[in-house]
Amino acid sequence: QKEVEQDPGPLSVPEGAIVSLNCTYSNSAFQYFMWYRQYSRKGPELLMYTYSSGNKEDGRFTAQVDKSSKYISLFIRDSQPSDSATYLCAMVRGGNKLTFGTGTQLKVEL
Amino acid sequence: DAGVIQSPRHEVTEMGQEVTLRCKPISGHNSLFWYRQTMMRGLELLIYFNNNVPIDDSGMPEDRFSAKMPNASFSTLKIQPSEPRDSAVYFCASSDLGDQPQHFGDGTRLSIL
Repeated sequence: QKEVEQDPGPLSVPEGAIVSLNCTYSNSAFQYFMWYRQYSRKGPELLMYTYSSGNKEDGRFTAQVDKSSKYISLFIRDSQPSDSATYLCAMVRGGNKLTFGTGTQLKVEL
Repeated sequence: DAGVIQSPRHEVTEMGQEVTLRCKPISGHNSLFWYRQTMMRGLELLIYFNNNVPIDDSGMPEDRFSAKMPNASFSTLKIQPSEPRDSAVYFCASSDLGDQPQHFGDGTRLSIL
């Protein structure tokens, strides 16, 4: 079993929809949680970074962490075609060694 | 601000040849990471450095792979000899020390024929 599980998709939604992306993890030692966005033929780009349970909001993006359930989510409001990309969750136990999910491919249709 | 810079962006070479990938981290960052990304396995950490010192190379697949960081602004990942199964996108990332987020370059797309 992988330490971090993420549904690979693809996920297709209409423009303006609310998107929910999720990851589960098995190791309670993970302390810091990140979401990266990766466009085709580009490197992963950091979207959100959080270390506590609860919600963190940045514009149309909200990251949610539930450490008791070992579950993290990324919500995208008013989704746009430019949000079409692969979204990777990542987490750190301590130090700076990241463990990534496999990524969810998102397509926002006009 | 300049981000992480990788070169070359694309590399196509024949099996058995030596391949050298290069990375310039963000100025001031003390940690540097090399990753490999494939469809089958996703993003895998190969090796990382703190203050130019290799800390964890447990992800390096074989002795054919080696990495160096001679100074704070430059690192190389070398594959010798290369094999077709090494074909992947190789990313370099850098961060400040500690639990700080990593910033990625745009990768080197490597094809071994």
